[in-house]
Amino acid sequence: DQQVKQNSPSLSVQEGRISILNCDYTNSMFDYFLWYKKYPAEGPTFLISISSIKDKNEDGRFTVFLNKSAKHLSLHIVPSQPGDSAVYFCAASARFTGTYKYIFGTGTRLKVLA
Amino acid sequence: ETGVTQTPRHLVMGMTNKKSLKCEQHLGHNAMYWYKQSAKKPLELMFVYSLEERVENNSVPSRFSPECPNSSHLFLHLHTLQPEDSALYLCASSQDLGGEQYFGPGTRLTVT
Repeated sequence: DQQVKQNSPSLSVQEGRISILNCDYTNSMFDYFLWYKKYPAEGPTFLISISSIKDKNEDGRFTVFLNKSAKHLSLHIVPSQPGDSAVYFCAASARFTGTYKYIFGTGTRLKVLA
Repeated sequence: ETGVTQTPRHLVMGMTNKKSLKCEQHLGHNAMYWYKQSAKKPLELMFVYSLEERVENNSVPSRFSPECPNSSHLFLHLHTLQPEDSALYLCASSQDLGGEQYFGPGTRLTVT
């Protein structure tokens, strides 16, 4: 049972346009969401996060939107740059009594075309 | 050294070998994690340590044995592994549990 899903394995966008990466989750107990970027042969790098008490968080060219009722979050990159080409993972976390969950999606490979 | 480092970067071992993966974080963080990434699968959280105490073991087989001697170091001891254990093993740390994690470059493990 995949609790965090990224249904698009890949996405191609023209340089300068907006990239929109999507992520869906199933467990309403998740209360913190994060996006990571991964280049080949490197570990993931933290990009931006959002708490469940917010619906938007912005950091430069990156904005994350959270729709709790739809259990959906998205990452917007604008304008997209060739250096943004990487695999993007969303992650959801929650602390439950007696256990801890930190679940990653399967990733979306973004290619920004020059 | 800065950030999170992992050694070795590549490891080939037979099914009867015993080896250890090492992770070190230079960020002053309180939580450390081991992940497994297999081909075409999401990152799987294996173990979580907070202030040197294990807080999560996600049904990982006993042939994987973690050790956290202090808040800066994390080990993953491996013994009698199976070929399906071949994967990229990533270590990460965070200031506190649940926060943004900083990852090392990973160890590419091949079990023959």
